[in-house]
Amino acid sequence: AQTVTQSQPEMSVQEAETVTLSCTYDTSESNYYLFWYKQPPSRQMILVIRQEAYKQQNATENRFSVNFQKAAKSFSLKISDSQLGDTAMYFCAFGIRHDMRFGAGTRLTVKP
Amino acid sequence: ETGVTQTPRHLVMGMTNKKSLKCEQHLGHNAMYWYKQSAKKPLELMFVYSLEERVENNSVPSRFSPECPNSSHLFLHLHTLQPEDSALYLCASSQVGSGPGEKLFFGSGTQLSVL
Repeated sequence: AQTVTQSQPEMSVQEAETVTLSCTYDTSESNYYLFWYKQPPSRQMILVIRQEAYKQQNATENRFSVNFQKAAKSFSLKISDSQLGDTAMYFCAFGIRHDMRFGAGTRLTVKP
Repeated sequence: ETGVTQTPRHLVMGMTNKKSLKCEQHLGHNAMYWYKQSAKKPLELMFVYSLEERVENNSVPSRFSPECPNSSHLFLHLHTLQPEDSALYLCASSQVGSGPGEKLFFGSGTQLSVL
């Protein structure tokens, strides 16, 4: 069975600073996707970034980037130049077709 | 307008009530999902309707009953719920067949309180 672990229930960062959120997962599959979703107070989950397991190059989306270590089954999210609007719950997820498993989330607060 | 719309946004019900949650997606996707989000727990996948096939989590109690009349609409029928069923219920959709890990598009959820 696939499991996803986020070991940091809460984190905070000063505006304009950089923060890294951790995620580890467990699977015996070789072809899968990893995701980071953001859930602001509006409750709607929004995709932040997606990584294909067969690609060694780390995905980036503007200020968001990942550090994907397949052998270690680690998938961390780095947010650069943090903005107040980045305050939200962040969920790491593992997906194979329609089977998507989520971690328990990390609550990130960006302080002015 | 969001691509996935859920109603109602909030619902309070007694344990003997029967209610339904509604989800509609406007993205042309072919799969829809129900997730349960409880405080400090991972999102729990409850049901998937994908390409007319239904997949369910065997740990979901029978007091939750899904219905998917077409690829755009999804319902979750609730009856004789328990207080521990209080949670945020999220609907999502995706396009199955576009790869091994399709992106999910979520609605804003229904916050359910069972008294």
